[in-house]
Amino acid sequence: LAKTTQPISMDSYEGQEVNITCSHNNIATNDYITWYQQFPSQGPRFIIQGYKTKVTNEVASLFIPADRKSSTLSLPRVSLSDTAVYYCLVGGSEVKLIFGTGTRLQVFP
Amino acid sequence: DTAVSQTPKYLVTQMGNDKSIKCEQNLGHDTMYWYKQDSKKFLKIMFSYNNKELIINETVPNRFSPKSPDKAHLNLHINSLELGDSAVYFCASSPTGTSGSETQYFGPGTRLLVL
Repeated sequence: LAKTTQPISMDSYEGQEVNITCSHNNIATNDYITWYQQFPSQGPRFIIQGYKTKVTNEVASLFIPADRKSSTLSLPRVSLSDTAVYYCLVGGSEVKLIFGTGTRLQVFP
Repeated sequence: DTAVSQTPKYLVTQMGNDKSIKCEQNLGHDTMYWYKQDSKKFLKIMFSYNNKELIINETVPNRFSPKSPDKAHLNLHINSLELGDSAVYFCASSPTGTSGSETQYFGPGTRLLVL
């Protein structure tokens, strides 16, 4: 399974756009890139998934360059409630999800 | 109408005891999972069951035994609890469990503290 590398933590202020980048140099052809969000005292929650180029939903956007060796989760205009840990996962044909250390995002007023 | 529920939410017990954690999903999914999240927030898969059949069995002590009476339930029994078992245990489910790209739905977690 592809290993992922993310920044351990990031700080932001309300109303700003936050971009969290994940490196996955060994991504396989069948692998998708998925991001989960985990609030304190809760289980992880699916945010967005993509294979290539750009994906957007009501919560976030996911940018994936042509070589797919990295991806960027973009959160527009964050609020205090976006304070959480964000996990980048890479997987496809294998069932197992491998969660890395995640990125702890702290949003300040 | 919680999608994936776990009981109990908190569990405090003494070393050497045996305890069980229950998980139920009402999503109609075929596959269920148990994860362990330690104090450093690393989330690791322990087991997965597809339609009551064990699919993934990671390197976990034999003291941990999952049981799936039907595809909507996956319980975790832990024998002879040790201090190092203290963690948050998450149950999850996914529609088919046939791909790592499939969305998994997590329960709220069970916080286990072994004294």
